[in-house]
Amino acid sequence: GQQVMQIPQYQHVQEGEDFTTYCNSSTTLSNIQWYKQRPGGHPVFLIQLVKSGEVKKQKRLTFQFGEAKKNSSLHITATQTTDVGTYFCAGISSNTGKLIFGQGTTLQVKP
Amino acid sequence: DAGITQSPRYKITETGRQVTLMCHQTWSHSYMFWYRQDLGHGLRLIYYSAAADITDKGEVPDGYVVSRSKTENFPLTLESATRSQTSVYFCASGTAQGTIYFGEGSWLTVV
Repeated sequence: GQQVMQIPQYQHVQEGEDFTTYCNSSTTLSNIQWYKQRPGGHPVFLIQLVKSGEVKKQKRLTFQFGEAKKNSSLHITATQTTDVGTYFCAGISSNTGKLIFGQGTTLQVKP
Repeated sequence: DAGITQSPRYKITETGRQVTLMCHQTWSHSYMFWYRQDLGHGLRLIYYSAAADITDKGEVPDGYVVSRSKTENFPLTLESATRSQTSVYFCASGTAQGTIYFGEGSWLTVV
């Protein structure tokens, strides 16, 4: 079946270091969304990317959608302790129209 | 202005009992979803609904029943709870464009 794979599963960084998580789909996606879940909380929508090659920024966060619309990345510059949590990508399949979540990347930031 | 609310937030029940988790949204979103989240499995879709009186199975529907008689409500029932159904359950609602908004979660323990 269709899968959305996310790597790495876990990442520990020192505060101030950069962080990147990658999302790869086995099929073409019509769009990709990113969510953040703080420890003990619920996933919160961050952003949606629709166009091939699209890049969007939110302060220290940079989101990219691949040219083939099969992969995406989230890059955080100069991490802070407030960035701690699990980041999920979710893609809508161009074939089925269903939203599929990646397994998430859990980020720990050491102060 | 909660938007989407779940109840109960925390529940302990015994094996074999019927449990219903409630979900209510105020946005009039057409789509509603139930996910469960377990360590190592990310977010897994149980059931979803595209509109009132329309429901469909997700990835892990066995042991669960849903209904959607009104657009704003989407209850999830565990007909005979098992220990393997101990989990955090998230209700979500969303638009046709795919962005979804999660409730705060219901922590269910089956003993």
